[in-house]
Amino acid sequence: DAGVTQSPTHLIKTRGQQVTLRCSPISGHKSVSWYQQVLGQGPQFIFQYYEKEERGRGNFPDRFSARQFPNYSSELNVNALLLGDSALYLCASSLRGLLNTEAFFGQGTRLTVV
Amino acid sequence: GDSVTQMEGPVTLSEEAFLTINCTYTATGYPSLFWYVQYPGEGLQLLLKATKADDKGSNKGFEATYRKETTSFHLEKGSVQVSDSAVYFCALPWNNNDMRFGAGTRLTVKP
Repeated sequence: DAGVTQSPTHLIKTRGQQVTLRCSPISGHKSVSWYQQVLGQGPQFIFQYYEKEERGRGNFPDRFSARQFPNYSSELNVNALLLGDSALYLCASSLRGLLNTEAFFGQGTRLTVV
Repeated sequence: GDSVTQMEGPVTLSEEAFLTINCTYTATGYPSLFWYVQYPGEGLQLLLKATKADDKGSNKGFEATYRKETTSFHLEKGSVQVSDSAVYFCALPWNNNDMRFGAGTRLTVKP
């Protein structure tokens, strides 16, 4: 079975541009979460979507948005990119929420803003 | 909110040495606790977990025991290998949708 897949794997953008990152969860998983991992730090929670609805949001500005599609795949959008948005963006899928099921992570998208 | 505090390292060991990476947690209830591992250039992989007090999670020679009395979930391995070189993260779920991670501990194992 395929694990969590993310695309693209690497991306270089210029300050002020917009970016869209994509994630396909494990088959049967209905929850997708997004995390930002800055170099040398632990991942920070951005969003969780479950059954196509936003169920949680971390402490990120409104430039960050996401959505989940009927097939449970998800996109993360970041507008007006800043240098500080350079990070590894991780997608995680789980059957439901996190209290009773574990999260499986993709390989991540490495975003570099120049 | 709930959180984990992790010894940050980095940690450098010789092959076959004993490993301990400390992790303590702050939580209002008794959440599941996790250790994730991140190999160079990769995403996170679940290493082991424990779902309640006194549970011991184990995988690939690594172990961690959920200790309510000391609010700890320390990671141990009796004999590390070069292939164990990676960054290790302690984590717990908060509010059903937010996995809280420690800062990570970089382990380097030398032959």
